Amino acid sequence: NAGVTQTPKFRILKIGQSMTLQCTQDMNHNYMYWYRQDPGMGLKLIYYSVGAGITDKGEVPNGYNVSRSTTEDFPLRLELAAPSQTSVYFCASSYSSRGNTEAFFGQGTRLTVV
Amino acid sequence: AQTVTQSQPEMSVQEAETVTLSCTYDTSESDYYLFWYKQPPSRQMILVIRQEAYKQQNATENRFSVNFQKAAKSFSLKISDSQLGDAAMYFCAYNTAGTASKLTFGTGTRLQVTL
Repeated sequence: NAGVTQTPKFRILKIGQSMTLQCTQDMNHNYMYWYRQDPGMGLKLIYYSVGAGITDKGEVPNGYNVSRSTTEDFPLRLELAAPSQTSVYFCASSYSSRGNTEAFFGQGTRLTVV
Repeated sequence: AQTVTQSQPEMSVQEAETVTLSCTYDTSESDYYLFWYKQPPSRQMILVIRQEAYKQQNATENRFSVNFQKAAKSFSLKISDSQLGDAAMYFCAYNTAGTASKLTFGTGTRLQVTL
């Protein structure tokens, strides 16, 4: 069972470039999330989705866009990359809206913007 | 907004010993959930244990248990019989009831396990 899969695992971008971080899950979860983890910090929520076609902003959405056309996929788009977006990005999914639901995480994408 | 504070950036424990990781949080809500997630060197976050705020009984999962003090807004993790595989970053996280997994994380505690 693959769970949550993120690609790529590592990427270096130049300032001003754009890229899409891919995330797919095979657990048929309705809820999906993007978090970023800066050095020495906890994860912060960027965007989340409660189902196909429905997305909403988290705590730190500026500079990012998302879409959710299928239950399985939740790509994160970075437009005009900036050094402040250097971080490790985690995609996660969960099966319920209950607050005690376990979130299943991918292995992260380490992004460096130079 | 809720905040989660982990005041111990690093902890060390000998194999087979017990260690306690601290976490405090701030909230005005009465219904919420608390979690401890483990992040090994592979980076993938793994749920260790969770606690419902309305439950007075402390959660236990094998060698992992919590000390939940709601009035003090404290949520510590105790690891008994520590193993080398327990070495990792541990994150305390908070979630409001009914908001799926929109988690608020602390800054983490790096746990080293020595022989």
